[in-house]
Amino acid sequence: GQNIDQPTEMTATEGAIVQINCTYQTSGFNGLFWYQQHAGEAPTFLSYNVLDGLEEKGRFSSFLSRSKGYSYLLLKELQMKDSASYLCAPSSGSARQLTFGSGTQLTVLP
Amino acid sequence: EAGVAQSPRYKIIEKRQSVAFWCNPISGHATLYWYQQILGQGPKLLIQFQNNGVVDDSQLPKDRFSAERLKGVDSTLKIQPAKLEDSAVYLCASSPHPNEQFFGPGTRLTVL
Repeated sequence: GQNIDQPTEMTATEGAIVQINCTYQTSGFNGLFWYQQHAGEAPTFLSYNVLDGLEEKGRFSSFLSRSKGYSYLLLKELQMKDSASYLCAPSSGSARQLTFGSGTQLTVLP
Repeated sequence: EAGVAQSPRYKIIEKRQSVAFWCNPISGHATLYWYQQILGQGPKLLIQFQNNGVVDDSQLPKDRFSAERLKGVDSTLKIQPAKLEDSAVYLCASSPHPNEQFFGPGTRLTVL
């Protein structure tokens, strides 16, 4: 079965740092994706973690702890354009299928 | 490189009518997915194709939904008959390998 939990909404100020947490219970887990989705648009790929630890990519970093079923997405130097929904998606099975959480709606204020 | 194409972008129908959506994946991508995204939720996988074969359709409501990918390229998703609860965005995605999926712009379906 699949169970994914992430906060529904978060608010932060331009230039600040925000951490979006995700916990999951996924059978046959083999990796965790983060996607960004602006209102009315398709999800776009942000990061993929397979091993425990931190993956850094520019202003965005993602962390995974497989033993704890926990991941977070860290956004630094927030910009207004970062206002979007952030979707946590564990992959599972031989086909590496994604199960998406409901998303965290981030609002960046000036 | 052209992205995943979907049409139509918007569709409004009445309940019990039929509707079809079309998807053209990125050239060379063997795997194609259809997702349903209800407002306020994350995308839910409906069906996954590998070339023209079905990998998983366990979450496809087969009494009313059908999908095909006859030549291993384009795909169509059909709903017949539609219900009010089918109102959602239908997203198509394709991937060259399991570690990254590229999404199309989606079709927003409203069932009245």
